[in-house]
Amino acid sequence: QAVVTQEPSLTVSPGGTVTLTCGSNTGTVTSGRYAYWFQQKPGQAPRTLIYDTNTRHSWTPARFSGALLGGKAALTIVDAQPEDEADYYCLLSYGGARIFGGGTKLTVL
Amino acid sequence: QVHLMQSGAEVKKPGSSVKVSCEASGGTFSNYAINWVRQAPGQGLEWMGVITPIFGTANYAQNFQDRVTITADESRKTAYMDLSSLRYEDTAIYYCARAVRHCSGTTCQYFFDYWGQGTLVTVSS
Repeated sequence: QAVVTQEPSLTVSPGGTVTLTCGSNTGTVTSGRYAYWFQQKPGQAPRTLIYDTNTRHSWTPARFSGALLGGKAALTIVDAQPEDEADYYCLLSYGGARIFGGGTKLTVL
Repeated sequence: QVHLMQSGAEVKKPGSSVKVSCEASGGTFSNYAINWVRQAPGQGLEWMGVITPIFGTANYAQNFQDRVTITADESRKTAYMDLSSLRYEDTAIYYCARAVRHCSGTTCQYFFDYWGQGTLVTVSS
């Protein structure tokens, strides 16, 4: 079974920019992995931010963007806000299966 | 307005089974797939499986292949996740998450959008 890796934790200053990454032990993450990014705040259900590598949902602020970067999927937050402090999970598709990364705890400080 | 309403919290004994439901409102049920994801206390998200009601087919994660059954009742717009042979480590919040069909040309994919509120399942003797 594939393993999906994320940075365990990152810190960004308010107004700053941060990039979270999502890698696969099977090799380069391509568009065919249909990468997702989810945001989860304490005590809440996850919320889908990005799907299909770089497509935002209608509720996803424009400061969040997804891309492929250096063989990984990446989520970039520009002009980070205090409310962006949360856990972020990526999800990759492997045929009919889906595998989550371990999550990145983002601190805005 | 799309909403996924899950059934209430459960307390189960080791070795027993639990069935969690997820009722969808808003939209056309046959255009969705329903995924099940769980989260143990203080841990990350774990994908368990998915059902595509229009095809009546389910795919399961390798870790759960032997113990989970996902079904759907289109007339009730409800999906179900049945987990058997419960162990203490199955204590978790179980979420359903809708995936809506997007087609480009002849290729269609299902992409996550809305999530249910979660159902806490506690396995305790």
